[in-house]
Amino acid sequence: KAGVTQTPRYLIKTRGQQVTLSCSPISGHRSVSWYQQTPGQGLQFLFEYFSETQRNKGNFPGRFSGRQFSNSRSEMNVSTLELGDSALYLCASSPRGTGREKLFFGSGTQLSVL
Amino acid sequence: GESVGLHLPTLSVQEGDNSIINCAYSNSASDYFIWYKQESGKGPQFIIDIRSNMDKRQGQRVTVLLNKTVKHLSLQIAATQPGDSAVYFCAETLSGYALNFGKGTSLLVTP
Repeated sequence: KAGVTQTPRYLIKTRGQQVTLSCSPISGHRSVSWYQQTPGQGLQFLFEYFSETQRNKGNFPGRFSGRQFSNSRSEMNVSTLELGDSALYLCASSPRGTGREKLFFGSGTQLSVL
Repeated sequence: GESVGLHLPTLSVQEGDNSIINCAYSNSASDYFIWYKQESGKGPQFIIDIRSNMDKRQGQRVTVLLNKTVKHLSLQIAATQPGDSAVYFCAETLSGYALNFGKGTSLLVTP
């Protein structure tokens, strides 16, 4: 089975722009979560989707949004980029989305905001 | 605030020795804990998990210990190898579907 695939691998944007990141979960996995990783804050939860519904959202401003499609693929969008949004954005999938099962992570998208 | 934290930011061990990575959590309601390993340029990789109704779980060369009395979690790696060099994260699930991660411990294995 293919693992979690995230595209693109690297992105460079400027302040004020918007960006869309893509995630393809492992086949058959219905839950997709997004995390932001920075050296100072570590891994922070952004949101989680299950069957196209956002069930949980972390403490991030409304500029961060996401969605999930019927094939479980997910996208996240960040609008009006700020320098502090520079981070590694990780997507993870799990089979049942119980919150009590291991997450399978992709390699992430490294976003640099200049 | 941070409810899952690590005692040591870096840990250096010699190849062949055992490693112990510690983690503290603050919420006694946490019922699921998990350890991840992250190598440079890669996403976190699952190592082992444990539920709150257990106090020990063993995997291949790894053991997780859970002490609910003092809200402490540890990961033991036996016969540490150079390939074990990575950043290790503990995480907990409180409620809902999110994992709350600690900031990580960097493990360096020296020959």
